Amino acid sequence: DAKTTQPNSMESNEEEPVHLPCNHSTISGTDYIHWYRQLPSQGPEYVIHGLTSNVNNRMASLAIAEDRKSSTLILHRATLRDAAVYYCILVGGGADGLTFGKGTHLIIQP
Amino acid sequence: EADIYQTPRYLVIGTGKKITLECSQTMGHDKMYWYQQDPGMELHLIHYSYGVNSTEKGDLSSESTVSRIRTEHFPLTLESARPSHTSQYLCASSEMGRSTEAFFGQGTRLTVV
Repeated sequence: DAKTTQPNSMESNEEEPVHLPCNHSTISGTDYIHWYRQLPSQGPEYVIHGLTSNVNNRMASLAIAEDRKSSTLILHRATLRDAAVYYCILVGGGADGLTFGKGTHLIIQP
Repeated sequence: EADIYQTPRYLVIGTGKKITLECSQTMGHDKMYWYQQDPGMELHLIHYSYGVNSTEKGDLSSESTVSRIRTEHFPLTLESARPSHTSQYLCASSEMGRSTEAFFGQGTRLTVV
């Protein structure tokens, strides 16, 4: 599976937008970009995914670079409940399961 | 809301005991997975299944075994628990395909003393 690179941690203030970056320079043409997050003491939960176009849902937006070598998860207005570890994962055709890296630990300050 | 359930949530057990961690989903998903996660660390895939009677080992070697006799049920068994098995075990399910989301259970936190 192609690898992703994310910052270890990021800090933001409550009610401000948060941009979480992910680099995936070895992405293949058929890999989907998925984002999951894991709140403390819980299992991961799906956030959003995309292939080439930017995507929006009720939780977040996903901005994908034109060359697909990077993407950004956007939380439009962070709340304290958004404090979690965010994982950027590439899912290819031969994937048996999701390959989790270390993710980005997002800290939200009140 | 995710319809995937794991029991028990917490388990403390003595060395040498046989244990089974239960995982059930009501979404009719063919794919199911087991992940292992130590505190503050990454999730590692230890087992997965494509459907009934299908079981495969994941990226991380594990002494546990799994079975898939029914679509909705994917239990994980440790024949003889050891302190090195102390960890959190997370079950997940999804439909087939690259553009489907996976649903995770709340996890079982296992402590072997």
